[in-house]
Amino acid sequence: GIQVEQSPPDLILQEGANSTLRCNFSDSVNNLQWFHQNPWGQLINLFYIPSGTKQNGRLSATTVATERYSLLYISSSQTTDSGVYFCAGGENYQLIWGAGTKLIIKP
Amino acid sequence: GAGVSQSPRYKVTKRGQDVALRCDPISGHVSLYWYRQALGQGPEFLTYFNYEAQQDKSGLPNDRFSAERPEGSISTLTIQRTEQRDSAMYRCASTGLAAANTGELFFGEGSRLTVL
Repeated sequence: GIQVEQSPPDLILQEGANSTLRCNFSDSVNNLQWFHQNPWGQLINLFYIPSGTKQNGRLSATTVATERYSLLYISSSQTTDSGVYFCAGGENYQLIWGAGTKLIIKP
Repeated sequence: GAGVSQSPRYKVTKRGQDVALRCDPISGHVSLYWYRQALGQGPEFLTYFNYEAQQDKSGLPNDRFSAERPEGSISTLTIQRTEQRDSAMYRCASTGLAAANTGELFFGEGSRLTVL
């Protein structure tokens, strides 16, 4: 089955810094999504992005489907960005989840 | 409703008891999913419905777990004869798309189950 690898596993940054999170897939996918699990446990959909580039405020994501990876960019980090970022991908509804990147933004 | 609603938010039960977890998806959403998430890990797929039809239950760990969605809206995940290893966060998600099954997943706040 498809394997999903996220990097880095942990990231600690000062408020205001920029960051790039990466997600690699072992096979092609037609469904790819990024999620943020905040410190209160809520799991929030950030992007549905099987290909191309999308932006939402300080966040943007790019998926290069032919090379089987996706990147999540966070600019001008805020403490509220802290939490775990998951990518999940697969065929149709059968999403395989990465282990997540734990992001800590220090004030 | 405006978002996916799950209840109860927290459930503590004794080993051997049955529990029922409820999910009310976003109004009009066709597809509904149940996931289980252990601490420090990503969600694990349990089962999936299109309308009232259970399309895939391959992720249910064993026959103590069952799910239904009789009228194509609210769904119930039932765990019979609970065991300590069943302790986890149980999450429900819904999407609007049925045919492609690739829409954005919207999650509820989850039901945290603790089996003593």
